[in-house]
Amino acid sequence: DQQVKQNSPSLSVQEGRISILNCDYTNSMFDYFLWYKKYPAEGPTFLISISSIKDKNEDGRFTVFLNKSAKHLSLHIVPSQPGDSAVYFCAASWGTGDQGGKLIFGQGTELSVKP
Amino acid sequence: NAGVMQNPRHLVRRRGQEARLRCSPMKGHSHVYWYRQLPEEGLKFMVYLQKENIIDESGMPKERFSAEFPKEGPSILRIQQVVRGDSAAYFCASSPRVSGRSYEQYFGPGTRLTVT
Repeated sequence: DQQVKQNSPSLSVQEGRISILNCDYTNSMFDYFLWYKKYPAEGPTFLISISSIKDKNEDGRFTVFLNKSAKHLSLHIVPSQPGDSAVYFCAASWGTGDQGGKLIFGQGTELSVKP
Repeated sequence: NAGVMQNPRHLVRRRGQEARLRCSPMKGHSHVYWYRQLPEEGLKFMVYLQKENIIDESGMPKERFSAEFPKEGPSILRIQQVVRGDSAAYFCASSPRVSGRSYEQYFGPGTRLTVT
């Protein structure tokens, strides 16, 4: 049962253009969403997050949009740079108290930014 | 401020041997999570620990796998009698705790376990 889905395994974008990575989820209990970037043979690096009480969060070139009614979030990278080429993972979590906090990851989308 | 540290980075074990993976969280973080990434897959949650307590082990296989986070020292993920299917990258993450829940988790570089 894949609760977090990234349906595009790969995405290719020209340098300077916008990259849009998408993520869908099924569990309405999720209340916190995160994006991670991962290079080969390294651990995931935290990029940006959003709480379910918001619909947008921005940090520099990275913006995350959340559409709760559609159970969909997206990561926008503007402008895209060759150094952004990596695998991007969407993750979700829920819960308060000690039982909450584990992350449920999507399968990842490999972004390639071409010069 | 050092990040999450994991060792060893690479570990080769023969079938039937034991594997011990270590994780030191970021300074000031008291919550540790272990995840496993099988080839061509996303990361899967295994276990969530606080000092001397296992909080959530719902992702741990029922047999051969155990985890601890003692009062002193690193968190340990232990795999007994390894099989080829245990070959994967094992990632540890840590987080602080704010207002009753964790927020962002920060990951270590991972341990790549190969079972021959």
